[in-house]
Amino acid sequence: GAGVSQSPRYKVAKRGQDVALRCDPISGHVSLFWYQQALGQGPEFLTYFQNEAQLDKSGLPSDRFFAERPEGSVSTLKIQRTQQEDSAVYLCASSLGDLSTYEQYFGPGTRLTVT
Amino acid sequence: KQEVTQIPAALSVPEGENLVLNCSFTDSAIYNLQWFRQDPGKGLTSLLLIQSSQREQTSGRLNASLDKSSGRSTLYIAASQPGDSATYLCAVRSPLGGGADGLTFGKGTHLIIQP
Repeated sequence: GAGVSQSPRYKVAKRGQDVALRCDPISGHVSLFWYQQALGQGPEFLTYFQNEAQLDKSGLPSDRFFAERPEGSVSTLKIQRTQQEDSAVYLCASSLGDLSTYEQYFGPGTRLTVT
Repeated sequence: KQEVTQIPAALSVPEGENLVLNCSFTDSAIYNLQWFRQDPGKGLTSLLLIQSSQREQTSGRLNASLDKSSGRSTLYIAASQPGDSATYLCAVRSPLGGGADGLTFGKGTHLIIQP
């Protein structure tokens, strides 16, 4: 079946612009995660949804970052007034359930470059 | 706070060699540990998932072990091939990780297999 998909794959934004990144999880997956991966680093957790509920947003770096999953499927990560330090790859992952034993499946990521 | 360290940061070996990648984590109260592969410009591909109650998992030429009490995991790659060249990431899921369910990643080992 189809895996996790993300769009766009690449995004160039001028500093100060708003951007929206989309994630389509695997159909039927309850849990959805966003991660940020800076160049040469491992991914870092941003936020977690269980269905439409955002249960943890402790990793969001500032109030310019906002995520939603209104119908418990597709999720959007929005970054307002982008800054150069926001340049990174944004990865989305989904898992079947809310149990800690479930495997997370990752999408290809969106590479954001802020100029 | 959970921290994950991977050694070495980079490794280059001739084709055909067996090799070991190391991962350590600071808090042993984990739910599970995953090894991922990441190719340049691509997302993460899950290789092996070891639950906290397990000692090892095998898939083809890959074998991952987990020693939870000492906070260590190893990924063993047998008979390496040029196609194994990639960055290998270790991640743990734990109560002290990113939120309730987020993964905490190491920075990865960049592996090059010379033909």
